[in-house]
Amino acid sequence: EDQVTQSPEALRLQEGESSSLNCSYTVSGLRGLFWYRQDPGKGPEFLFTLYSAGEEKEKERLKATLTKKESFLHITAPKPEDSATYLCAVQPNSGYSTLTFGKGTMLLVSP
Amino acid sequence: ETGVTQSPTHLIKTRGQQVTLRCSSQSGHNTVSWYQQALGQGPQFIFQYYREEENGRGNFPPRFSGLQFPNYSSELNVNALELDDSALYLCASSQKTGGPGANVLTFGAGSRLTVL
Repeated sequence: EDQVTQSPEALRLQEGESSSLNCSYTVSGLRGLFWYRQDPGKGPEFLFTLYSAGEEKEKERLKATLTKKESFLHITAPKPEDSATYLCAVQPNSGYSTLTFGKGTMLLVSP
Repeated sequence: ETGVTQSPTHLIKTRGQQVTLRCSSQSGHNTVSWYQQALGQGPQFIFQYYREEENGRGNFPPRFSGLQFPNYSSELNVNALELDDSALYLCASSQKTGGPGANVLTFGAGSRLTVL
């Protein structure tokens, strides 16, 4: 059974204070690892897909990296508008294109 | 390019009732998936539809059922509602065939269901 564990559950940062979110996973053949951002009361918004160990992707203050067992979402010099829940999900190689999600990390960036 | 739209946004039902949630997929997408997100949890896969047929199902009982229409829109039906069915129901569309962005799920804003 595919599993995704995210840590920490919640993270409070000061504006400009860089940090990383962790996503550990087990999957029977990885097609892709996905990061989504979710604002309160809204649906998840796609950020990145990573396909193979060693791959990195960047978008503004966010950088995602992937190893064979985990992924990190690095947040550099965050701003209050980066406050959201960040969800990690894995998509297996086999069958249909479903996602198994972690519980997410709730990030709060204070000015 | 229109995104994924869901209706209704909020609804309240009582135990034992039935509910139908609707979803219009993003233009160019041919696959629709439904997820249930309880408060403080990540989304859980309910089922997926491709070419109007169920193409995979998560660990949900048969009282959760769905449809996909020729225009790729979809419905989620839940019968005999239980208190634990209270959640945000998310619809996501994707492009099953190859090409950039294939298998990337685009989510709607969700339908918030409260069962009393």
